[in-house]
Amino acid sequence: DARVTQTPRHKVTEMGQEVTMRCQPILGHNTVFWYRQTMMQGLELLAYFRNRAPLDDSGMPKDRFSAEMPDATLATLKIQPSEPRDSAVYFCASVGGQAYNEQFFGPGTRLTVL
Amino acid sequence: GDSVTQMEGPVTLSEEACLTINCTYTATGYPSLFWYVQYPGEGLQLLLKATKADDKGSNKGFEATYRKETTSFHLEKGSVQVSDSAVYFCALSENTGGFKTIFGAGTRLFVKA
Repeated sequence: DARVTQTPRHKVTEMGQEVTMRCQPILGHNTVFWYRQTMMQGLELLAYFRNRAPLDDSGMPKDRFSAEMPDATLATLKIQPSEPRDSAVYFCASVGGQAYNEQFFGPGTRLTVL
Repeated sequence: GDSVTQMEGPVTLSEEACLTINCTYTATGYPSLFWYVQYPGEGLQLLLKATKADDKGSNKGFEATYRKETTSFHLEKGSVQVSDSAVYFCALSENTGGFKTIFGAGTRLFVKA
């Protein structure tokens, strides 16, 4: 049963610390998305990649957020330094294979910045 | 640009009641339309989809019909269950190979026993 995995599932950190979230897309999927979900803003697209190259990161605060795909099986989202307003659930989703346009979401990383 | 508007929640229903969640869209091309569902503590998952006008998507008793003339994709179910309690997202994706998906704000559904 192929699925997107994300680690860690929960992260509590203090303001100013670096946070790294990881995502393993479904094998063979070549497009990866990062979303942030909060009660106030709903689901926001932060960035997405095609064949490991960034296509759009306009939704991401550039001064503190960075997203990369070191290889086809790993996507990372880093926040440095973290702030309390970054507290949210961060989702990764992948697309590809025969499920054209269907996004497969991971379980999310719940981040709390104190 | 493309957008999706869905009815605000929360929607509270008793078990076995009928459900309709309205969704309208704006798109420059001919998008595919989706309903995703999010259960507590989980990521979104595809509920149903329709790829062209007049298509009907269906799954788990839920249905939605792609209406190009009214730019709508309303979600319906004839008899809801407590286990249907979740957040429902209407979404669209242009069929240009980009895979980028525009999501609505989500509608929370509570079903009481």
